[in-house]
Amino acid sequence: GEDVEQSLFLSVREGDSSVINCTYTDSSSTYLYWYKQEPGAGLQLLTYIFSNMDMKQDQRLTVLLNKKDKHLSLRIADTQTGDSAIYFCAESTSGTYKYIFGTGTRLKVLA
Amino acid sequence: EPEVTQTPSHQVTQMGQEVILRCVPISNHLYFYWYRQILGQKVEFLVSFYNNEISEKSEIFDDQFSVERPDGSNFTLKIRSTKLEDSAMYFCASKGQGTVNNQPQHFGDGTRLSIL
Repeated sequence: GEDVEQSLFLSVREGDSSVINCTYTDSSSTYLYWYKQEPGAGLQLLTYIFSNMDMKQDQRLTVLLNKKDKHLSLRIADTQTGDSAIYFCAESTSGTYKYIFGTGTRLKVLA
Repeated sequence: EPEVTQTPSHQVTQMGQEVILRCVPISNHLYFYWYRQILGQKVEFLVSFYNNEISEKSEIFDDQFSVERPDGSNFTLKIRSTKLEDSAMYFCASKGQGTVNNQPQHFGDGTRLSIL
C-alpha cells in the first residue's frame, strides 16, 4: 500500500541550512506537500509541488522532487529558532481525496 | 487569512459516551476532511465529504463514526460510543474548488480527545 517515510529528527545550528527528506512509494502520486506543526498547533501548509516539477522555490524554502527515486526534500535556508517544529510531508494521488502523511521530522534549531 | 477553526480544543469523555467534534471550514471551500493523529503516530485519514455526502473513508471510519454538515458553516464528526483507542488529536481540513488535487487542504488546530 501507499507509504511515506521520513527521518525522525534533525538538529541544525541557527543560520545553517536544513534539509528534511521524505520518500514515498506510490508512483501515481500527483501532488506532494510540506506541512509544519508547532507545539500545540495545527498543520500549517508550507508549500507543495506537482509531480511534473523538479523544483519549487518559495523565499527560504526549496522543494526538490526526484520522481524516479520517489524522493522529496525540503531545504530551509538560513534556519532560525522559529523554524523549530515538526515537518510533515504528504502525498495525494489523482482520483483520491485523501492525503497520506509521513511520520514527521522534528527539527531542532540550536542558537 | 481565512482559517479552519475547531472546537473544543480539548475534550475529555468517559468511555462509551458519544462525542461530537466541531469544525468551521473556510467559508468558500467545498471539500471537507477529518484526520486523526494518535500520540506519537502518523496523521491518518478518516473521511472526506463533498456535496453533502462521504466521498471516501478509511478502514478506521467504521459504524461508530459519522459526519454531518448540519448547516452552511459547520462540519461535525460524531463518535457514537467512544473507546480508549479513540484518544487522539483530530484534525479537520477543508479545500477550495477546483479539481480534486490542485488545491491544498487547509487544517485546523485540532481537537485533542481524551477517553477515560
